[in-house]
Amino acid sequence: GDSVTQMEGPVTLSEEAFLTINCTYTATGYPSLFWYVQYPGEGLQLLLKATKADDKGSNKGFEATYRKETTSFHLEKGSVQVSDSAVYFCALRHRNTGGFKTIFGAGTRLFVKA
Amino acid sequence: EADIYQTPRYLVIGTGKKITLECSQTMGHDKMYWYQQDPGMELHLIHYSYGVNSTEKGDLSSESTVSRIRTEHFPLTLESARPSHTSQYLCASSEPQRGNNEQFFGPGTRLTVL
Repeated sequence: GDSVTQMEGPVTLSEEAFLTINCTYTATGYPSLFWYVQYPGEGLQLLLKATKADDKGSNKGFEATYRKETTSFHLEKGSVQVSDSAVYFCALRHRNTGGFKTIFGAGTRLFVKA
Repeated sequence: EADIYQTPRYLVIGTGKKITLECSQTMGHDKMYWYQQDPGMELHLIHYSYGVNSTEKGDLSSESTVSRIRTEHFPLTLESARPSHTSQYLCASSEPQRGNNEQFFGPGTRLTVL
């Protein structure tokens, strides 16, 4: 069945460090891929998305490229800030016979130290 | 700016009680969703609706029920709460257009059943 696997957290980095959170998926067809972010005490927010192979989603300094050959959608940021501390969820979404289906990864908690 | 609301944000209740979790959105979106997420675990879709008088069960079997009498309102009801229902419940809505798969999430309701 469809699944999303992302690296386990927590990930702890110092400010200005480079961030990579790995995400791989298994799915039939051509799903859309998303990264959502959840800040403490808040709901999920869409961070970026890519709807087809080789698309690069980017927002707030984060970026991720839809790699169909490796079924990956790794999240990267060149220089993290304390305010980036949050939980990051990788997700895929596609339509099947039952309607839209969204699968989320288990989430990766990021701590950024000043 | 997306406007989707959930109440209550937190609820602690005893076993056997009937509860209703409220979700409303002011964007006029036809599609609405309920997700369940245990801490550190994947989100699971438990209900969705394509519009008024349309409700469907999601990927994860749930003892809850939903209704969609008005476009903006999508309440979730548990007739008799049990400790196994303790979880976070996330409501979302979307207005799918060609190539647009964004879901807007509410802040969530954290339910604890004693």
